[in-house]
Amino acid sequence: HSALTQPRSVSGSPGQSVTISCTGTRSDIGNYVYVSWYQQHPGKVPKVIIFDVDKRPSGVPHRFSGSKSGNTASLTISGLQSDDEADYYCCSYAGGYITVFGGGTKLTVL
Amino acid sequence: EVQLVEAGGGSVHPGGSLRLSCAASGFVFRSSWMHWVRQVQGQGLVWVSTINTDETTTTYADSVEGRFTVSRDNVRDILFLQMDSLRAEDAAVYHCVRGTSDFGVYFENWGRGTLVTVSS
Repeated sequence: HSALTQPRSVSGSPGQSVTISCTGTRSDIGNYVYVSWYQQHPGKVPKVIIFDVDKRPSGVPHRFSGSKSGNTASLTISGLQSDDEADYYCCSYAGGYITVFGGGTKLTVL
Repeated sequence: EVQLVEAGGGSVHPGGSLRLSCAASGFVFRSSWMHWVRQVQGQGLVWVSTINTDETTTTYADSVEGRFTVSRDNVRDILFLQMDSLRAEDAAVYHCVRGTSDFGVYFENWGRGTLVTVSS
């Protein structure tokens, strides 16, 4: 099972929107709704911000949204804020109780 | 409050072994699927292993299959990872993670991790 493919970095100015893509295969993203996204600030543990493709845990701002089309999932962050600067990881179930992460995307808020 | 506290990391030579542990509290451990995820500093998250509630299902990443063994003690609320035949590429911080939702598929609570160094 190969890692999911994410851009190494994205950037945006405060107030703007950015989208992070996550490309997998028919064996993972393309076949399951179990797609999640994690936010990790430097020195901190990851925090789940999206699950089931597009659901937000309690407390996660509506500015964060998820979607999926075919083998690609996306995380969109609207109304960028300085605190959104972090690493973002996508994650998908791949069957047989196997999980695969993306390589991570560093978001810079300019 | 959910707490996951890993221990057992350290420095080992290639080919050596380590046993990691993760003490869990603040939730019903015996009802939770658990995972190990590793991360090299400055690099990404890598799923290592998953165990279901009663140890009847255990899965591993291809890179550790046959060398690592996950287990749990539902009386003492502890998760373990036995790591044998360690390689340089196994060096990382190992996080214990509580899974939630269907078969623990979401990684909701994370421990701060324990550092494993593999060097000759």
